[in-house]
Amino acid sequence: DGGITQSPKYLFRKEGQNVTLSCEQNLNHDAMYWYRQDPGQGLRLIYYSQIVNDFQKGDIAEGYSVSREKKESFPLTVTSAQKNPTAFYLCASGTGSHEGEAFFGQGTRLTVV
Amino acid sequence: SQQGEEDPQALSIQEGENATMNCSYKTSINNLQWYRQNSGRGLVHLILIRSNEREKHSGRLRVTLDTSKKSSSLLITASRAADTASYFCATAGGSNYKLTFGKGTLLTVNP
Repeated sequence: DGGITQSPKYLFRKEGQNVTLSCEQNLNHDAMYWYRQDPGQGLRLIYYSQIVNDFQKGDIAEGYSVSREKKESFPLTVTSAQKNPTAFYLCASGTGSHEGEAFFGQGTRLTVV
Repeated sequence: SQQGEEDPQALSIQEGENATMNCSYKTSINNLQWYRQNSGRGLVHLILIRSNEREKHSGRLRVTLDTSKKSSSLLITASRAADTASYFCATAGGSNYKLTFGKGTLLTVNP
């Protein structure tokens, strides 16, 4: 089946630790995105990538890092510099054109313990 | 900053009624999209309207776009309990394909 897969579904992190969230797509999409969702805040863009080996900061990039070494993969690292990392993280992919829709994964819920 | 702002934040209606949600945005766009999210899940694309279009239909969905007012509306006709979800508008514009979302409208359809 074609689609976009996020893992894990639930993730617990101790304060001061870095964690990496996985996002893989087999839709042959050029563009990939990471969003953070907090209650009542909607979706806020963390990073996005339009092509392999290139990515751009979104609105709330501080404390996060990404890589785009392969077209299929866009992992997100939540670093210890992110002061309030507990949230629901959503990955999406799209054609990268102005005509296309975005396809979303099922999300990763990160909790700091 | 988030581009789109939905209104109302929450809407509760009875099954069979129509539901209307509005979205306002700030800068020029190439297209505007509406998505649906069931609680704790990913978003699902509903409909896309281009900046040169004024109205679009898909099943029970009707979307309008007024670029002069920088606003859009989503109408769901003959609502069902299964339509209960959060609905988001998203805008894409400029040379980079940066897709930004609003805070969403929580729709509750009571059986």
